[in-house]
Amino acid sequence: GAVVSQHPSWVICKSGTSVKIECRSLDFQATTMFWYRQFPKQSLMLMATSNEGSKATYEQGVEKDKFLINHASLTLSTLTVTSAHPEDSSFYICSARTAGAGGEQFFGPGTRLTVL
Amino acid sequence: AQSVAQPEDQVNVAEGNPLTVKCTYSVSGNPYLFWYVQYPNRGLQFLLKYITGDNLVKGSYGFEAEFNKSQTSFHLKKPSALVSDSALYFCAVRADGGYNKLIFGAGTRLAVHP
Repeated sequence: GAVVSQHPSWVICKSGTSVKIECRSLDFQATTMFWYRQFPKQSLMLMATSNEGSKATYEQGVEKDKFLINHASLTLSTLTVTSAHPEDSSFYICSARTAGAGGEQFFGPGTRLTVL
Repeated sequence: AQSVAQPEDQVNVAEGNPLTVKCTYSVSGNPYLFWYVQYPNRGLQFLLKYITGDNLVKGSYGFEAEFNKSQTSFHLKKPSALVSDSALYFCAVRADGGYNKLIFGAGTRLAVHP
């Protein structure tokens, strides 16, 4: 199956700093990428959907100025958590979908962010 | 609106016994249904999907799921559970057309005891 990678796999940062998480589709082109957030023992919450070359669509309640998403190419999307605070600590998972109406969605291994 | 319900927070099964993880859905139009498994601190791994065709879908690691349109269910099953199947399982649905969002259930933790 298709592979989606995320980097870094974990990151610890100080409150107030910004953190960038990369998501790459390694062996396919992803016209659409998704960013999810998962709290311990909870389901995945969709944060935003991004299409290559256009602005991301954020879910209700997600601050677009805090969670900056860039989808500059068909194989790379980035999520930047700006001015991170402890409540932003979470497991962030990206997903990439292949082109077409029946496109399959593949998930990255996740990035654990801890904000001190 | 789309929604997925996984009524059980946890399912406990003895190794070697059959297992069932329940999922019901609500969607406008024809559903695309998926099961994923998640191991601790890992992303989601795809198990199987139903798009169209045969209601019984076979997937990875011996898992299968049956699509029941009248009951709007898509229960995950395995004839003989392994301890290594212990993980968090998510059911997900997407309305047909494929461009819609994938909506996840709350997840069911499967614990298989030796």
